[in-house]
Amino acid sequence: QSALTQPPSASGSPGQSVTISCTGTSSDVGAYNYVSWYQQHPGKAPKVIIYDVSKRPSGVPDRFSGSKSGNTASLTVSGLQAEDEAEYHCSSYAGSNTVVFGGGTKLTVL
Amino acid sequence: QVQLQESGPGLVKPSETLSLTCTVSDYYISNGYYWGWIRQPPGKGLQWIGSIYHSGTTYYNPSLKSRVTMSVDTSKNQFSLKLSSVTAADTAVYYCARPISGPTTGFDYWGQGTLVTVSS
Repeated sequence: QSALTQPPSASGSPGQSVTISCTGTSSDVGAYNYVSWYQQHPGKAPKVIIYDVSKRPSGVPDRFSGSKSGNTASLTVSGLQAEDEAEYHCSSYAGSNTVVFGGGTKLTVL
Repeated sequence: QVQLQESGPGLVKPSETLSLTCTVSDYYISNGYYWGWIRQPPGKGLQWIGSIYHSGTTYYNPSLKSRVTMSVDTSKNQFSLKLSSVTAADTAVYYCARPISGPTTGFDYWGQGTLVTVSS
């Protein structure tokens, strides 16, 4: 069970869209539609913003969207705002009632 | 609004056992849902440690399974984590959290986290 692969950093200007990738294998991301995304501000606990690949919990703006193709999941943040600057983590069900996380991506709003 | 709060020693010596408790408020553990532990080493990503159901059913990260024990005390509305034979690599912020569904999907309620340092 290896960690999912995320780019260390991503950036965009206010109002723009940015997409963060999360690459796994045919045993996790590619096998199940149970990818989640978390937003984490410094010193705070993570907050789930996407689950089951593309579902948004109540209260999460529709600027956040998720998708998946093959072994890679993606999080798109549209209409970037200053408060979107944070660390983003992906996770995927990996079978046998286990879950694996990615290494995290630091999103900077320029 | 479900609230979770971690408690336990902030400093543990190498080779000893790390013990943490998560107290749940505004929701009875016995009513359902799995409850999990997730950790984050300083400056690194998240790692799922394991999840437990109120019945005591547990699922652990295979890489930690030999050292992890989770338990639940419904009378105190708490669940606990024990990690044995710790090393410096176990230094991390430890979070307790509740998944939206099943033992692993979309953790939506989190504690504030507690930093545990492994050092002599």
